[in-house]
Amino acid sequence: GAGVSQSPSNKVTEKGKDVELRCDPISGHTALYWYRQSLGQGLEFLIYFQGNSAPDKSGLPSDRFSAERTGGSVSTLTIQRTQQEDSAVYLCASSLGTDLEKLFFGSGTQLSVL
Amino acid sequence: EDQVTQSPEALRLQEGESSSLNCSYTVSGLRGLFWYRQDPGKGPEFLFTLYSAGEEKEKERLKATLTKKESFLHITAPKPEDSATYLCAVQAGNQFYFGTGTSLTVIP
Repeated sequence: GAGVSQSPSNKVTEKGKDVELRCDPISGHTALYWYRQSLGQGLEFLIYFQGNSAPDKSGLPSDRFSAERTGGSVSTLTIQRTQQEDSAVYLCASSLGTDLEKLFFGSGTQLSVL
Repeated sequence: EDQVTQSPEALRLQEGESSSLNCSYTVSGLRGLFWYRQDPGKGPEFLFTLYSAGEEKEKERLKATLTKKESFLHITAPKPEDSATYLCAVQAGNQFYFGTGTSLTVIP
């Protein structure tokens, strides 16, 4: 596709359940970021993938959060044992990965934990 | 601590009424400053990149400027379709630090 694709666009889950969020970056983009956006808050960095390098996981808020990127393309963010405070919009962005490249964002997944 | 602060949080303008949005930052090793526009239910959309103090970029009714400590997004004669949240981000290393944005409403 022409842009970054995220699915699902909306996810409602019960507290304690696991969820998987998917991101399909722009073809050829080697860098991929996950951010979380809560109401009234700035974008919170979660994790960064660059090519075949080890990911930068420094933004993951707890060990309930994990992400993987298969074949240097599609990425999945997994949240285990969801809590109400996990409710937010999860945004994925990709870039060419060269220096000072702008980010292309998907439309996000709105996660609601009841 | 690296920080990005945007002001005001919200701004209401009459159509045609020019104004400026501010982004101040304290980041070590700044590599670039970015402006994005975000519409409701959408991801941020890239507007500008500024690399060094004194640099300016323009696009239609928008002009972005950069000093050593802050950036301004000037909006000249805005139209209702300019209503959106404008986000500022700075890049240090491989990290992007985002502000909380300015929500702009332009009233016809």
